[in-house]
Amino acid sequence: KAGVTQTPRYLIKTRGQQVTLSCSPISGHRSVSWYQQTPGQGLQFLFEYFSETQRNKGNFPGRFSGRQFSNSRSEMNVSTLELGDSALYLCASSLVGQTTNEKLFFGSGTQLSVL
Amino acid sequence: QKEVEQNSGPLSVPEGAIASLNCTYSDRGSQSFFWYRQYSGKSPELIMFIYSNGDKEDGRFTAQLNKASQYVSLLIRDSQPSDSATYLCAVYSSASKIIFGSGTRLSIRP
Repeated sequence: KAGVTQTPRYLIKTRGQQVTLSCSPISGHRSVSWYQQTPGQGLQFLFEYFSETQRNKGNFPGRFSGRQFSNSRSEMNVSTLELGDSALYLCASSLVGQTTNEKLFFGSGTQLSVL
Repeated sequence: QKEVEQNSGPLSVPEGAIASLNCTYSDRGSQSFFWYRQYSGKSPELIMFIYSNGDKEDGRFTAQLNKASQYVSLLIRDSQPSDSATYLCAVYSSASKIIFGSGTRLSIRP
């Protein structure tokens, strides 16, 4: 079974631009969660999608948005990029979503650099 | 106060010894607790989860939970160089989301 696939692997953008990241979950998984990882801050929760609906979100500004398609693939968009948005963006899929004992399977991430 | 706190390390442990990793959390309504391991340049992978007070053992790994003290720990017995990684503590919070700590970097020295 294929794992979680994130594209692209690396991205370089300039301030003010926008970017779209893609995540394909493991086949049969209906939940996709997004995290931002920076040195010292660890993984910060962005949002979770389940069956095309945003089920939960973290404390990020509205410039960060996402969506999920009927095939469970998800995209994350960041508009008006700032230098501080430089980070590794990780996508995690799970069968039924973030629950008390649900295991998250992470993709390899997209490394975003904002210049 | 961060929701999930971990000592960033690095924690250096000799090969064959016990490595002890600690984590505290602020949300008393948190229901379950996870330990993920992340090798350098790789994505996190789940190694343990626990939701009841006490100890849970799986091979060389033991997770310990004390809800009254809001404290979770991970013990690694007979530490191997392959255990060198960053260990992330994660909590399923009362807000129904999994919150991660910033991780503890563990180094096993031969």
